[in-house]
Amino acid sequence: QVQLQESGPGLVKPAETLSLTCAVSGHSISSGHWWSWVRQPPGKGLEWIGEIHESGRTTYNPSFKSRVTMSVDTSKNQFSLNLNSVTAADTALYYCTRQGHYCMDVWGKGTTVTFSS
Amino acid sequence: EIVLTQSPGTLSLSPGERATLSCRASQTVSNNYAAWYQQKPGQAPRLLIYSVSSRATGIPDRFSGSGSGTDFTLTISRVEPEDFGVYYCQQYGDSPLYTFGQGTKLEIK
Repeated sequence: QVQLQESGPGLVKPAETLSLTCAVSGHSISSGHWWSWVRQPPGKGLEWIGEIHESGRTTYNPSFKSRVTMSVDTSKNQFSLNLNSVTAADTALYYCTRQGHYCMDVWGKGTTVTFSS
Repeated sequence: EIVLTQSPGTLSLSPGERATLSCRASQTVSNNYAAWYQQKPGQAPRLLIYSVSSRATGIPDRFSGSGSGTDFTLTISRVEPEDFGVYYCQQYGDSPLYTFGQGTKLEIK
C-alpha cells in the first residue's frame, strides 16, 4: 500500500526558505507517476503548488514559479519542495500527493508550516 | 486560469436523502478531466471520482459523478452519516495544471 509522509520544520521565519520532504513507501518513486505538492491555508481551500517526475521534470503553478523549486531523490524514494522568500501568507498545511489519472490519488497526512517572526 | 465555482456552499441533509453538489468551470475543462475529493476534519482529502465519472478504488457506489464541458455534478444517492465533510472539485488541463473549487460543506442532520 502506497504511503506518503511529509516532514520538515514546523516554523519558518520571514524571507527564509521553506524546505519539505515527502518520503514514499510501498511504491517506487520511479514508477512513471508524477508527484505533487498541495497546500491548504487554515480554514481555506486547496492550492496546487507544482509537480515533479522521477526524471526531474517539473511543472509549477505560475503563482509560485519564481519562488519554488522541487527535486527528486530516487535513491531515497523521496521528493522535496523548496519555497523561498516566505511570508505569513505561506502559513498552511502542506500535502504531498501522487498523481493518478489527471487527479491526486494518494495523499500524505500533511505537515503544518507556520510563519514566525 | 480556469476558476471552479462550487454550489451550494453548505448542504444540510438527513441520512437517506440525495445529495447533489455542483461544480461550474469558467472555461471548458480539457478532455473532461474533472475529479472530486472528500475531506473530513483533521484529515487529508480523499479521491472519490476522477475523469468525471470513474469511482476511485474502494469508493461506495452511492457516489457518482456526471457532467461535461463546464458543468459537473457529484451525487450521493443516499447520504450516510459518515459522508459529512467538505467536498472539492478539481480540474486538470489549463495553467495552472490543477485548480480546485472552494468546496461544499455537507452536514448531516
